[in-house]
Amino acid sequence: NAGVTQTPKFQVLKTGQSMTLQCAQDMNHNSMYWYRQDPGMGLRLIYYSASEGTTDKGEVPNGYNVSRLNKREFSLRLESAAPSQTSVYFCASSESGGPGVEQYFGPGTRLTVT
Amino acid sequence: EDQVTQSPEALRLQEGESSSLNCSYTVSGLRGLFWYRQDPGKGPEFLFTLYSAGEEKEKERLKATLTKKESFLHITAPKPEDSATYLCAVNGGATNKLIFGTGTLLAVQP
Repeated sequence: NAGVTQTPKFQVLKTGQSMTLQCAQDMNHNSMYWYRQDPGMGLRLIYYSASEGTTDKGEVPNGYNVSRLNKREFSLRLESAAPSQTSVYFCASSESGGPGVEQYFGPGTRLTVT
Repeated sequence: EDQVTQSPEALRLQEGESSSLNCSYTVSGLRGLFWYRQDPGKGPEFLFTLYSAGEEKEKERLKATLTKKESFLHITAPKPEDSATYLCAVNGGATNKLIFGTGTLLAVQP
């Protein structure tokens, strides 16, 4: 099992460009999440999908959109990248979206917006 | 406001020198406290879940404990390969989402 995979690993964008970060999991998990990690701050939730067909905003959703393509895949789109979106992005999945359920993380995408 | 605070921010130990990392939290109705390990350039790796005060869990040289206000990650006789950032997260309060601390960077020197 690969667990949670993310592509690309690294990306450099210019301000105003768009891109989609891809995430897939092979653990048959129902819930998936997108986080960003910035220096000196804890992981912050951008969007999540409790189950296939549903998506909801997290703590920092502005400037992002998501698509739960199927049970395995959850993508994050930046429509018009800004320097403030320079960060490391992590996708995670969990068996359910219920309380007290551990999440499993992918290796991350390191994004720089110039 | 729901909050998670980890201390110290960084800790340097000699190989074999045991110590503890702290995670204090303010959240109403804790539904789970999680410990993760994160190596440089990698995603967080799940270690433990604790649900109620008094609970303890162990894995190799690591032991996690939980009280009503904080959790400790005890590291016994650490080795250089234990060097990593250790993250704490809680699930509770008004939302069902994980709230992460900023982590403790542990360096174990041979």
